[in-house]
Amino acid sequence: EPEVTQTPSHQVTQMGQEVILRCVPISNHLYFYWYRQILGQKVEFLVSFYNNEISEKSEIFDDQFSVERPDGSNFTLKIRSTKLEDSAMYFCASSDMRVNYEQYFGPGTRLTVT
Amino acid sequence: SQKIEQNSEALNIQEGKTATLTCNYTNYSPAYLQWYRQDPGRGPVFLLLIRENEKEKRKERLKVTFDTTLKQSLFHITASQPADSATYLCALGDGTASKLTFGTGTRLQVTL
Repeated sequence: EPEVTQTPSHQVTQMGQEVILRCVPISNHLYFYWYRQILGQKVEFLVSFYNNEISEKSEIFDDQFSVERPDGSNFTLKIRSTKLEDSAMYFCASSDMRVNYEQYFGPGTRLTVT
Repeated sequence: SQKIEQNSEALNIQEGKTATLTCNYTNYSPAYLQWYRQDPGRGPVFLLLIRENEKEKRKERLKVTFDTTLKQSLFHITASQPADSATYLCALGDGTASKLTFGTGTRLQVTL
């Protein structure tokens, strides 16, 4: 069964460093998302992406964040200058949306900023 | 502001019983509601979606109801098993390509 994959599973970085989190969405899906979940808290929407552009973003998704679909399969989230409060699980999700609205999530990348 | 509440942080039930989880929302008119399962340290796993014009949806031992008047969804797991122990999340969406807004989740523990 097709699934969303994410790499790395765990990333440790120092405050102020740039990180890139990578995702491979399900191949025939057209809509892509990033969510994050701070430990013990709820899953929060960051950004949605369709047709090579951002379709919606939350207040969390400030100028330090960017997304890109560099080729036909990868979808990346870049944090330019990480802060301690960026430590969280980051989930990529994808959806077909033409018929079904379900979003399928990857296993997540645990980002630890020290 | 939009608010999604899920009943009690933890629900403990005995194996074989039916677990009923609640999702209430305010200041929202969702087009659909989704239920996910999340195990510790893992991503949410999609279980069921119900649209605003549907009252009930079933899949194997799972049943979801959606009452847009009460602004509530109920999620039932019948004949529960210890393997059903996990956190269950409800998430609301308001249209095509919409972001999902999640509740805080209910942790279900099924004991022998």
